[in-house]
Amino acid sequence: GAGVSQTPSNKVTEKGKYVELRCDPISGHTALYWYRQSLGQGPEFLIYFQGTGAADDSGLPNDRFFAVRPEGSVSTLKIQRTERGDSAVYLCASSFTGGTGELFFGEGSRLTVL
Amino acid sequence: ILNVEQSPQSLHVQEGDSTNFTCSFPSSNFYALHWYRWETAKSPEALFVMTLNGDEKKKGRISATLNTKEGYSYLYIKGSQPEDSATYLCAPRYSGAGSYQLTFGKGTKLSVIP
Repeated sequence: GAGVSQTPSNKVTEKGKYVELRCDPISGHTALYWYRQSLGQGPEFLIYFQGTGAADDSGLPNDRFFAVRPEGSVSTLKIQRTERGDSAVYLCASSFTGGTGELFFGEGSRLTVL
Repeated sequence: ILNVEQSPQSLHVQEGDSTNFTCSFPSSNFYALHWYRWETAKSPEALFVMTLNGDEKKKGRISATLNTKEGYSYLYIKGSQPEDSATYLCAPRYSGAGSYQLTFGKGTKLSVIP
């Protein structure tokens, strides 16, 4: 498709379970970002990829969170031992470069941890 | 932690009214300011990327101004329409380490009443 695609759009899981969220960026975009929006807050930076490597993962809240982008295109955000506080909308965005240009966002994956 | 403030948090206007909201941010090491519109169940859509002090940008009935010295930006909507109902997010970007990160405010939620 033409835009950033995220799956699943909704995920309900139980506390302690493992979750994977997928992002398919716009073709040709080398930069990929993950953000998280918790209730009542603005989107919060999690991690930034330039190509296959994580150029900055300083926003990942703890070691239960991990993200990969093995071929420089699709990325997967992985959350282990989910907690109720992980409930949020996880947004993926891509751009042509990691510079100052416009980010193109997906519709997000809404995660609910019961 | 950067403090990005948006006001008001929410507002309701009648169709045809003009409205404006504010984004304030730390001005030190400022590089660019992004405005996004986020409609429910859709992806955040970029409105403007602004970099220069005194810059003014326009897109249809929506315009924005930027003051980088004092650290604020105004977004104006002329003749609001129901389709303008959305959350409007601002996000500054700063030079130096982490310059590709956007720091979002909590947004202004606009509801336009037909």
